[in-house]
Amino acid sequence: GNSVTQMEGPVTLSEEAFLTINCTYTATGYPSLFWYVQYPGEGLQLLLKATKADDKGSNKGFEATYRKETTSFHLEKGSVQVSDSAVYFCALTKGGSEKLVFGKGTKLTVNP
Amino acid sequence: NAGVTQTPKFQVLKTGQSMTLQCAQDMNHEYMSWYRQDPGMGLRLIHYSVGAGITDQGEVPNGYNVSRSTTEDFPLRLLSAAPSQTSVYFCASSYSTEGGGVFGPGTRLTVL
Repeated sequence: GNSVTQMEGPVTLSEEAFLTINCTYTATGYPSLFWYVQYPGEGLQLLLKATKADDKGSNKGFEATYRKETTSFHLEKGSVQVSDSAVYFCALTKGGSEKLVFGKGTKLTVNP
Repeated sequence: NAGVTQTPKFQVLKTGQSMTLQCAQDMNHEYMSWYRQDPGMGLRLIHYSVGAGITDQGEVPNGYNVSRSTTEDFPLRLLSAAPSQTSVYFCASSYSTEGGGVFGPGTRLTVL
């Protein structure tokens, strides 16, 4: 079946540090890939997405590239801010379906 | 445009009680779904609907019922609450197979 594996958290960084959160997936065919962010006490917000191989999704300084050869969709940001502290979820959907399959989430804390 | 709204925000039930979690969207999205979020588990799909009058089971449907009489509303019913249903519940909607979904703010349910 389809599955998503994220790096275990929590991740603690200092402000302006470089961020990488690893995400790999298992799926047949060509899934669409997503990163969601959940700020404390809130629902999930779509951060970025990519729908085909080699696509790069980007938003708010975050980037992720759909790598079919390594079945990965790692999230990166060059310089994190305290306001980026949140839980980040990697997710996929199979083509033609909106049934999201989520990773377990990675909690990021950024200290000033 | 309110997006996806959920009520109530918090609820405490006793084992065996029933209740309905409400979800509504005003974006004319065809696809709606319910997820539960548990610590260390990510989000798991409970039920989903691809349009009015059409529903189907997700990954963890037991103990929950849904119906979709209108495009806007997608209530989730717990017929006989159990402590294992203590969780945070999120409703989501989307209009395309590549949208990734818009999530509501969540309902935090505790079953004693």
